[in-house]
This record gives sequence, C-alpha cells and structure tokens, in this order.
Amino acid sequence: GAVVSQHPSWVICKSGTSVKIECRSLDFQATTMFWYRQFPKQSLMLMATSNEGSKATYEQGVEKDKFLINHASLTLSTLTVTSAHPEDSSFYICSAHPSSVADTQYFGPGTRLTVL
Amino acid sequence: ILNVEQSPQSLHVQEGDSTNFTCSFPSSNFYALHWYRWETAKSPEALFVMTLNGDEKKKGRISATLNTKEGYSYLYIKGSQPEDSATYLCAPSTDSWGKFQFGAGTQVVVTP
Repeated sequence: GAVVSQHPSWVICKSGTSVKIECRSLDFQATTMFWYRQFPKQSLMLMATSNEGSKATYEQGVEKDKFLINHASLTLSTLTVTSAHPEDSSFYICSAHPSSVADTQYFGPGTRLTVL
Repeated sequence: ILNVEQSPQSLHVQEGDSTNFTCSFPSSNFYALHWYRWETAKSPEALFVMTLNGDEKKKGRISATLNTKEGYSYLYIKGSQPEDSATYLCAPSTDSWGKFQFGAGTQVVVTP
C-alpha cells in the first residue's frame, strides 16, 4: 500500500514550452501533497504545498505563476512548469500526505526535467 | 527554514561491516524526525518517524537514535549488505501535518 506514482519519469523540452507533471496517490486519499525540487548534490527543497480544492501555498522564492499547481482531487496533483527555461532543468518529486495518517509523507519516484 | 546537516556526505563500506552517520537539526520547535532511504530510480522509502528524546527504533539491521535536546540523530547499519546501498535522508518537522525540511543525505555504497 501507500504508492505514489509520478508521470512522466523524465522529459526533455524546448525552451519556452510548458511541461505538466502528474502526481497520483494510487491506493489512498491525500488531502495534502508536496512538490520538491532537487538540484545536483543538494537536498530536496520544498517548492509548494498543494491542498485539495484550494490554492497551493508556495515557499519563499518560488514563482507561483511559473510553477502552476492544481490539486483537483484527493488522488491527483499536477505541477506545470510554464515557459520553461534551461535553469528550470532539475529533478522534481512529489509526496502525498494521507488524509487519515499524521506524520507521514509517501513519495513518488520523481521526474527529471531537461530544458534545452 | 531549518538548517539540517547530514554527515558524512558519502561513505563506502565493506560488506559485513557496520556503519553509522549523523543528522543534525535545530532543537527548537521540534516535533518529529523522519528518516528515509532512497535508492536510485526509486521512490524514497520511509524508515522511521521519531518524536521522543532518547527514542530508539529498529528495522532489521537498521536502527536509529534521537537526541532532541542537542538536535541530532544517528542512523546505524549493522552488517552492511550491498542492498543497503542508497542515499539516506533525514527530515525534521515542526508539527504533525507540517512540512519536512530535508538534509542533503548520506550516500552509502556497500561493496562486496
């Protein structure tokens, strides 16, 4: 149980295009999902907290108009990188917080984004 | 933002040897400390959630201790096996539904 999927696992796009990444909790409901970004040799950095049915909460320094987050259901959150540029190339990973269980985040396998 | 440090950044262990590494975090506003194990191309896997000072948890050959007063946790691997090769992440949280602040991880490579 407690499986989180992420799609796609990797994507290469041209500069200026938008890329959507999906995060799904497969066997549980998640009121809250989190989006992280990781640059090489660095820690997972929280970008935003996604709450089902409401606007995401972004961490300081993360542009909300660039990283659009939609949490349309209790099992799906999406991150759209709009007008991607090479500096947005990174590893993006989501986690899901089960609605009924505190102290727990289950992670997806991540998405490697490369912007040319 | 919490300052979370893990050391060492990486270590190489001979199969059968035991090893340990550290996670340091601010002791103020502490709620819980989370340990994850992250193998390449897989999802990070939750190992332990620790909340009480002096807590010690064990899962097979892996165990962890917690000192909330001084702000550190040790993770131990006894009799390392190649399948223990992974990056081990720690993350303190400030409340039960709150955000995690991850350290950069300790990469463990176990060689046969």
